[in-house]
Amino acid sequence: DAGITQSPRHKVTETGTPVTLRCHQTENHRYMYWYRQDPGHGLRLIHYSYGVKDTDKGEVSDGYSVSRSKTEDFLLTLESATSSQTSVYFCAISEESYEQYFGPGTRLTVT
Amino acid sequence: AQSVTQLDSQVPVFEEAPVELRCNYSSSVSVYLFWYVQYPNQGLQLLLKYLSGSTLVKGINGFEAEFNKSQTSFHLRKPSVHIRDTAEYFCAAANFGNEKLTFGTGTRLTIIP
Repeated sequence: DAGITQSPRHKVTETGTPVTLRCHQTENHRYMYWYRQDPGHGLRLIHYSYGVKDTDKGEVSDGYSVSRSKTEDFLLTLESATSSQTSVYFCAISEESYEQYFGPGTRLTVT
Repeated sequence: AQSVTQLDSQVPVFEEAPVELRCNYSSSVSVYLFWYVQYPNQGLQLLLKYLSGSTLVKGINGFEAEFNKSQTSFHLRKPSVHIRDTAEYFCAAANFGNEKLTFGTGTRLTIIP
C-alpha cells in the first residue's frame, strides 16, 4: 500500500468553525489531490497540487483552500464550515503515471 | 472536458454468476482509463488500468476490462463473482497531458448468496 495517511479520520464540528484536514505521504510523489465523496456524485476534485507551493482548483473548490509547504504534506482548510461540507474527504497521490493512490479518508460532519 | 458515465448505480448478482459493470467516457482525445474498487469504510484501490497497448486489460481479483474506442466504453467484467466482491466500483478517466482524473458516480455491486 502507498504510504498515505490522513488526519483526523473522523471529525465533528459546528457550522462557522475553521477546519483543517491533513494528508501526509511517504512516497515522495509529485502530485497530491483532495476529493470529496458524496452519495450519487462519486468523487469530485476539490484542489490539487503539482509541486511544493503549486496548487490549482478542481471542480468543487468554493469554500476550500489548500497549502503545500513540503512535498509530503497537503493541507485542506475549510475557512468557515457549512453543513453542505459534510462529506468524506479523500487524499490521493500520483507520480507522472496518472495512476492515483488513495488515503483511508476523513469523515467530516458539520452540525 | 472529460466526463465519465456509469449508468448502473446498483447491480445485484448471484454468487458465481458473471457480471459486467458499464462505463462510458466522453473525450475522443487520447485517454487513460481506470477502474477502482472501494470496500465498505475504506479508501479506493486500483483494480486495473488502460494506458496503451492491448485493449483487454486484466486486473486484480479476476477482473478484466476492455477498451472500446469506437463505443467510448471501458466495461468491467468478471466471469464468476464471490461474496468478497461486494463493493462500490468507480470508473475514471484522464486525458493525455492532464494529471486530473474524472470519476463516474460509481456502481454498487451486491452479491446474492
